[in-house]
Amino acid sequence: AQSVTQLDSQVPVFEEAPVELRCNYSSSVSVYLFWYVQYPNQGLQLLLKYLSGSTLVKGINGFEAEFNKSQTSFHLRKPSVHISDTAEYFCAAKPSGTYKYIFGTGTRLKVLA
Amino acid sequence: NAGVMQNPRHLVRRRGQEARLRCSPMKGHSHVYWYRQLPEEGLKFMVYLQKENIIDESGMPKERFSAEFPKEGPSILRIQQVVRGDSAAYFCASSPKTSGSYNEQFFGPGTRLTVL
Repeated sequence: AQSVTQLDSQVPVFEEAPVELRCNYSSSVSVYLFWYVQYPNQGLQLLLKYLSGSTLVKGINGFEAEFNKSQTSFHLRKPSVHISDTAEYFCAAKPSGTYKYIFGTGTRLKVLA
Repeated sequence: NAGVMQNPRHLVRRRGQEARLRCSPMKGHSHVYWYRQLPEEGLKFMVYLQKENIIDESGMPKERFSAEFPKEGPSILRIQQVVRGDSAAYFCASSPKTSGSYNEQFFGPGTRLTVL
């Protein structure tokens, strides 16, 4: 069965420190991968996506992610976080040839002053 | 170009009432998807519709839930006789006509349903 796992439910980090949010997926077919951010009581905003090509993907707000096929991972990173990055982050996978997005359970990033 | 629109943004219902959630896809998009986000969980697929057709409703609860996407007007997700467990955020997404294997879905802001 296809699944997306976000191991960390909460990640506290101090302002200006680097952060990595982990995402692993399981799929028998190739997948497209996404990271979304959700601010309180708001919808999903696409941060970045991996479709094909370069395994390092750069997104908005200084975020980037690296696709690692051998480890089936798509971890999200930012070298220096701001208070405004406090939000919930969702990793999602869309198996090739299907239309269903499979979401992880989310990681709550809390940036501390 | 307006994005996916959902209304209402917040909906409060008492147990036993009906909830109607509306979704207007992006201009030019003919495919609509509904997802549900229960508290402390990720989004889960519910149903996939094209104009006047339900393509896949495998994620819909068997009872009380229905969805439609008429020829004219928004897509409607209808929940009859709501219960407290229906309290969740309901997200709609849309995509253009499928071509090739990649077909990005664009998500709306969601409707937060609270059942008292």
